[in-house]
Amino acid sequence: RKEVEQDPGPFNVPEGATVAFNCTYSNSASQSFFWYRQDCRKEPKLLMSVYSSGNEDGRFTAQLNRASQYISLLIRDSKLSDSATYLCVVTLMDSSYKLIFGSGTRLLVRP
Amino acid sequence: NAGVTQTPKFQVLKTGQSMTLQCAQDMNHEYMSWYRQDPGMGLRLIHYSVGAGITDQGEVPNGYNVSRSTTEDFPLRLLSAAPSQTSVYFCASRGGGRIGETQYFGPGTRLLVL
Repeated sequence: RKEVEQDPGPFNVPEGATVAFNCTYSNSASQSFFWYRQDCRKEPKLLMSVYSSGNEDGRFTAQLNRASQYISLLIRDSKLSDSATYLCVVTLMDSSYKLIFGSGTRLLVRP
Repeated sequence: NAGVTQTPKFQVLKTGQSMTLQCAQDMNHEYMSWYRQDPGMGLRLIHYSVGAGITDQGEVPNGYNVSRSTTEDFPLRLLSAAPSQTSVYFCASRGGGRIGETQYFGPGTRLLVL
């Protein structure tokens, strides 16, 4: 079983739609949680960290459910520029600098 | 700041050849690491370093060597290239201290082993 699992998609949505991605992690010792964005043939870039209380950054909302071991990302009012692959990432308690990646969820936003 | 830089951007090797992928950062970061990305499989950690002179293995270290003689540089060596090492390689760095501090990735090196 993969340590971090994501639906690969693609999610194909019209501009202006709301879309949600989920991610599950298997290790209960996971400590830090992130969403990274990766554009085609580019490096991953941090989109946002995920906090236990949930957090929002503009149109993006991230939630963490430690009891069920899942993380979610909600994108409201989708833009064409949101088309990318979204990577769910966790770190473990004893090695916070070693990122464990999901395989990513691809989002396509159409006009 | 240039951030994290990687060279070369592309490389084609024949099976059995050796080469070094270069990675440098100018942010005075303690932590540096190498990942490889294959289709359908998320990034996987190859080797990492928590400071100059200190390196350790990640999830998929076989066939690769690293060294960290300076804070800035963290080269990855392929000893004898194999087709299974065809991949996109990303170098990353982060500062020490706070848990959850972000990592910065270089632009990647695309490697094809024939």
